[in-house]
Amino acid sequence: ETGVTQTPRHLVMGMTNKKSLKCEQHLGHNAMYWYKQSAKKPLELMFVYSLEERVENNSVPSRFSPECPNSSHLFLHLHTLQPEDSALYLCASSQEEGSVGNTIYFGEGSWLTVV
Amino acid sequence: AQTVTQSQPEMSVQEAETVTLSCTYDTSESDYYLFWYKQPPSRQMILVIRQEAYKQQNATENRFSVNFQKAAKSFSLKISDSQLGDAAMYFCAYRSPHHSGGSNYKLTFGKGTLLTVNP
Repeated sequence: ETGVTQTPRHLVMGMTNKKSLKCEQHLGHNAMYWYKQSAKKPLELMFVYSLEERVENNSVPSRFSPECPNSSHLFLHLHTLQPEDSALYLCASSQEEGSVGNTIYFGEGSWLTVV
Repeated sequence: AQTVTQSQPEMSVQEAETVTLSCTYDTSESDYYLFWYKQPPSRQMILVIRQEAYKQQNATENRFSVNFQKAAKSFSLKISDSQLGDAAMYFCAYRSPHHSGGSNYKLTFGKGTLLTVNP
């Protein structure tokens, strides 16, 4: 059983729809992440939240909108997506303390298909 | 910027045999962290092993061990007594510590090596 759970596991949406991906971590961590995994491309970091504040936004289009209401939950709100946004979206978490580069733990991912 | 290179897109091994997956990286930092993750068909990214650059001793985790060569910037993964459940995509990843500046939260991944285990 994973310490990071994502729902839904599969999502098909039209380009005009609005949907959200949800992530919950049960590990007591203080940082959460969204990564995107497309076919034949390395994993791309999208957003990072540390202590519920967004600390990184790697030039992600505004049609992706993250939300971190508390240290255990992370959402990715999706609207007016494009077919090229179809990918596996991975949520992750870690415990960040001082200068240590701690291990990042991943969820099982949410498969998104935009039609 | 750091880069991670996995030169073997695919590898295969016979069950119970040993296989080594290669990874090289490029960095100007002296302190950093290296990881191997496994992604089976379920697509969950599972941590296999972790190495701190300041440690000379190679990390081991049951049947998994690494050969960390800091000067050569090489970080290979050895899987001993391969099992059918080891079949997966394996990713090498690099992470900077927080005091180094830049993107301290980011894991830089290689493109992966697809490992097939033959019965």
